[in-house]
Amino acid sequence: DSGVTQTPKHLITATGQRVTLRCSPRSGDLSVYWYQQSLDQGLQFLIQYYNGEERAKGNILERFSAQQFPDLHSELNLSSLELGDSALYFCASSPRGERDTQYFGPGTRLTVL
Amino acid sequence: GDSVTQMEGPVTLSEEAFLTINCTYTATGYPSLFWYVQYPGEGLQLLLKATKADDKGSNKGFEATYRKETTSFHLEKGSVQVSDSAVYFCALQGEAAGNKLTFGGGTRVLVKP
Repeated sequence: DSGVTQTPKHLITATGQRVTLRCSPRSGDLSVYWYQQSLDQGLQFLIQYYNGEERAKGNILERFSAQQFPDLHSELNLSSLELGDSALYFCASSPRGERDTQYFGPGTRLTVL
Repeated sequence: GDSVTQMEGPVTLSEEAFLTINCTYTATGYPSLFWYVQYPGEGLQLLLKATKADDKGSNKGFEATYRKETTSFHLEKGSVQVSDSAVYFCALQGEAAGNKLTFGGGTRVLVKP
């Protein structure tokens, strides 16, 4: 158990819908990262937050957005969903002062029908 | 940009066999290098890491040495067990702003009794 929690574990929805994925980092970790794992694209970095502020952006679509709240949990919002958005979405967190160690949550499996 | 290339699987081995998974990378400067493991139905777990040239990361019988001259970080284990069956990801963390991980495509390893 990495200490990073993600909810829900599974999500099934229809095209055009909007969903919110939630992540709670390990206690005390200020950085939160989101990654997408799909069959065709592999594991890709989406976005990073540090203590509530966006720190880095990767291959995140404009239909996707994220935020980190004062209690450090983070949410990834996916809207106007397409079949191709079906994937595993992972959240990771890293401790202050240990930039090179990321602890991953169990992931949320999103299925868009 | 940064990239990681690792051998495609699946790799099928018998118990107690020697395992090698090749990984090479492209990055500017001096990235940190990682191996993550993903067991069926689970998230990614950090297996080992190396943060500078000639460092050797090791954990649970697995080893990998950071070779800057060949831009490689091959994973090895001398005697695999059935419980080592998983997908292994090589990753790097570059020097760009933010601490994102760039992953290889993953190598599925199946160990048969």
